[in-house]
Amino acid sequence: DQQVKQNSPSLSVQEGRISILNCDYTNSMFDYFLWYKKYPAEGPTFLISISSIKDKNEDGRFTVFLNKSAKHLSLHIVPSQPGDSAVYFCAASGSGGGADGLTFGKGTHLIIQP
Amino acid sequence: NAGVTQTPKFRVLKTGQSMTLLCAQDMNHEYMYWYRQDPGMGLRLIHYSVGEGTTAKGEVPDGYNVSRLKKQNFLLGLESAAPSQTSVYFCASSHGSFREQFFGPGTRLTVL
Repeated sequence: DQQVKQNSPSLSVQEGRISILNCDYTNSMFDYFLWYKKYPAEGPTFLISISSIKDKNEDGRFTVFLNKSAKHLSLHIVPSQPGDSAVYFCAASGSGGGADGLTFGKGTHLIIQP
Repeated sequence: NAGVTQTPKFRVLKTGQSMTLLCAQDMNHEYMYWYRQDPGMGLRLIHYSVGEGTTAKGEVPDGYNVSRLKKQNFLLGLESAAPSQTSVYFCASSHGSFREQFFGPGTRLTVL
């Protein structure tokens, strides 16, 4: 059973507009969440993270929102740029402090249209 | 700093053959991980290590073995490759106090 779900396989957004990527989780033991960006034929690169004690974390154009009661998080990219076109993975870490790895969603392919 | 490197980048095996994938990191990270990614899927954890000489099973460990003889290296072995092990394999590492993992570029393995 998938513990981290990204229900949109792809998302198309116009350059300059806001991109919103969504992620849901089912495991209440997750206490840390991360977003990774992946280009073809490369490894995932860390983008931004959020601890369960917060509801928002911002880093430049990227903001992650966490709604613990709904077990939902979202990544906002404002403004969207052509270089943002990539696959975005939502990942979660449990109470093991990260030692026991990350649980990933299936990813959302973000396409930024000129 | 090279970060996390993986050897080889590509490999084609026949069913039943064996091979070892090498992961090396130069960030002095305590934790290291092996994941596999299949089409339309997220990354799934195969094995991980929290320190030199220690290993543990992840979500999909069957058919794989690992060893961490040195802190900077984490080896993934396939003793008898099967077509179901055709995948892209990613190695990652992290500092013990932080959750963020740093990934290598991946190894694309095809088993015929």
